[in-house]
Amino acid sequence: NAGVTQTPKFRVLKTGQSMTLLCAQDMNHEYMYWYRQDPGMGLRLIHYSVGEGTTAKGEVPDGYNVSRLKKQNFLLGLESAAPSQTSVYFCASNLWAEDEQFFGPGTRLTVL
Amino acid sequence: GNSVTQMEGPVTLSEEAFLTINCTYTATGYPSLFWYVQYPGEGLQLLLKATKADDKGSNKGFEATYRKETTSFHLEKGSVQVSDSAVYFCALRVTGNQFYFGTGTSLTVIP
Repeated sequence: NAGVTQTPKFRVLKTGQSMTLLCAQDMNHEYMYWYRQDPGMGLRLIHYSVGEGTTAKGEVPDGYNVSRLKKQNFLLGLESAAPSQTSVYFCASNLWAEDEQFFGPGTRLTVL
Repeated sequence: GNSVTQMEGPVTLSEEAFLTINCTYTATGYPSLFWYVQYPGEGLQLLLKATKADDKGSNKGFEATYRKETTSFHLEKGSVQVSDSAVYFCALRVTGNQFYFGTGTSLTVIP
């Protein structure tokens, strides 16, 4: 049982490049989330999903897109990266909304 | 709106010292409250939680009591260890599935 995994762990992009971050969970969780963590800001919710085929905007969705084609995977896309998107990105999941969230190890993204 | 305010760090303590990390919240409705811990290079892990007023959450020697009258959920531990060095996040969840996290408090325990 791997829990929540994230790919890649580190990435450096140039401004304007695109990339996709992959989150996978093997716990059959319905809910999945993408957060970004910035110094002095805590975690902020980017997008989330309440089930396969559904997505919704969180607190800071601009510049990001997401997809949940399979229940176990939640993809976060940056179409045209900007330096302001330099951050650590965390994926999380839970079975029901009331449950604790289980977090992945994070992806450190730097946009030059 | 919903928000969490926690004491700024970093906090440095000697081993076996008493720890308090303050957390206050603003919420609509009746939130559940959480403390998460993040060890270096890892994701967040649930440390403890409380779902209603006057509940006390506890785990690994850490405790926090849900105080509705003061809108607080302060984290305490009587005797910290070097292995407790981490970043601690207070969080709340109101009805629905969105969590609101504080900014995190870094704790370093020195031998």
